[in-house]
Amino acid sequence: DQQVKQNSPSLSVQEGRISILNCDYTNSMFDYFLWYKKYPAEGPTFLISISSIKDKNEDGRFTVFLNKSAKHLSLHIVPSQPGDSAVYFCAAQQDSNYQLIWGAGTKLIIKP
Amino acid sequence: NAGVMQNPRHLVRRRGQEARLRCSPMKGHSHVYWYRQLPEEGLKFMVYLQKENIIDESGMPKERFSAEFPKEGPSILRIQQVVRGDSAAYFCASSPQRTERETQYFGPGTRLLVL
Repeated sequence: DQQVKQNSPSLSVQEGRISILNCDYTNSMFDYFLWYKKYPAEGPTFLISISSIKDKNEDGRFTVFLNKSAKHLSLHIVPSQPGDSAVYFCAAQQDSNYQLIWGAGTKLIIKP
Repeated sequence: NAGVMQNPRHLVRRRGQEARLRCSPMKGHSHVYWYRQLPEEGLKFMVYLQKENIIDESGMPKERFSAEFPKEGPSILRIQQVVRGDSAAYFCASSPQRTERETQYFGPGTRLLVL
């Protein structure tokens, strides 16, 4: 029973364009969402997060949007750069629970 | 300021042997989490520890797996009598203290291969 789903295993985007990574969840008790980036042979690196009381959080080139009614969030990267090529994981937390529930990841490839 | 350290980075074991994975949290961090990642899947929570205490081991298999975080030294994830299905990447994360929301910082992982 996957509570956090990333339905696109991979995504290819031209350098300079916008990358949009999607994530869906089923548990309405989740109230905090995070995006992590992972390079091969390295651990995940925290990118950006959003609380369920917000619908948008922005940090430089990265913006996360949350649609609670649709149980959907997305990560926008603009403009996309070659160094953004990595696997992106969406993770969720339930209030008062430290466990991160992870999606399977989306491999982002930025083409020159 | 060193990040989360894990060693070994790669570990090969034969079926039936023991695997010991070590994790040194970031300086000032007293909370450690272990996650396992199988190929093509996301990370799965295994166990959460504070110094000398196991807080939550609900994600850890009941048999063969154990974890500790002693007063001195790294956290250890121990897998006894390994089987092929234990082959995975094991990630350790740490956070400074458990407040409402603390970002978990991850180590580079240990890739365990069971032959």
